[in-house]
Amino acid sequence: GQQLNQSPQSMFIQEGEDVSMNCTSSSIFNTWLWYKQEPGEGPVLLIALYKAGELTSNGRLTAQFGITRKDSFLNISASIPSDVGIYFCAGPANAGGTSYGKLTFGQGTILTVHP
Amino acid sequence: EAQVTQNPRYLITVTGKKLTVTCSQNMNHEYMSWYRQDPGLGLRQIYYSMNVEVTDKGDVPEGYKVSRKEKRNFPLILESPSPNQTSLYFCASSQSVYMLEQYFGPGTRLTVT
Repeated sequence: GQQLNQSPQSMFIQEGEDVSMNCTSSSIFNTWLWYKQEPGEGPVLLIALYKAGELTSNGRLTAQFGITRKDSFLNISASIPSDVGIYFCAGPANAGGTSYGKLTFGQGTILTVHP
Repeated sequence: EAQVTQNPRYLITVTGKKLTVTCSQNMNHEYMSWYRQDPGLGLRQIYYSMNVEVTDKGDVPEGYKVSRKEKRNFPLILESPSPNQTSLYFCASSQSVYMLEQYFGPGTRLTVT
């Protein structure tokens, strides 16, 4: 199956700072998804990307579909305490064929924001 | 409000006592899926369903059963739970098997003693 490498594994930042994280795959993707999971809750879909080079924003979050189609980036500007959580990238489990809806996930980036 | 609901949210049970975790979605989604989340192992798919009466195994189906008799419901059944099934479980749904954007429920934390 696909391997997704997400980095960094964790980040400790001050409120107001910008955050960047990325995800790389071993194969070419046609879709990248970014999720956020808060403690005790399920993952929430933040942004979906469908096209190489695409840049999509959701409030202070901006995600990019890498030109090589093997990577994606998520940026959070002017972080606030409620940004705390685990951020996951995800893509099709079978990039070269039919995924039947199956996703593969990165290991997650744990974000801590100090007030 | 469009959502995926799961019940119960927390469950402590003993080895061998059959249990069912319910999942329901109100978005008329065709595709539904169950995941378990474990530290260091991430999210792993247990079973999925492409539509009513169509289910298939995911990556870790052993010890689990599912059924899809109605479009909105996708219960997860543990016939004889064991301690290694202690985990955080999530149900998810998407519009169809071709739409990868999945919407997750709030999770069920299961402890098997």
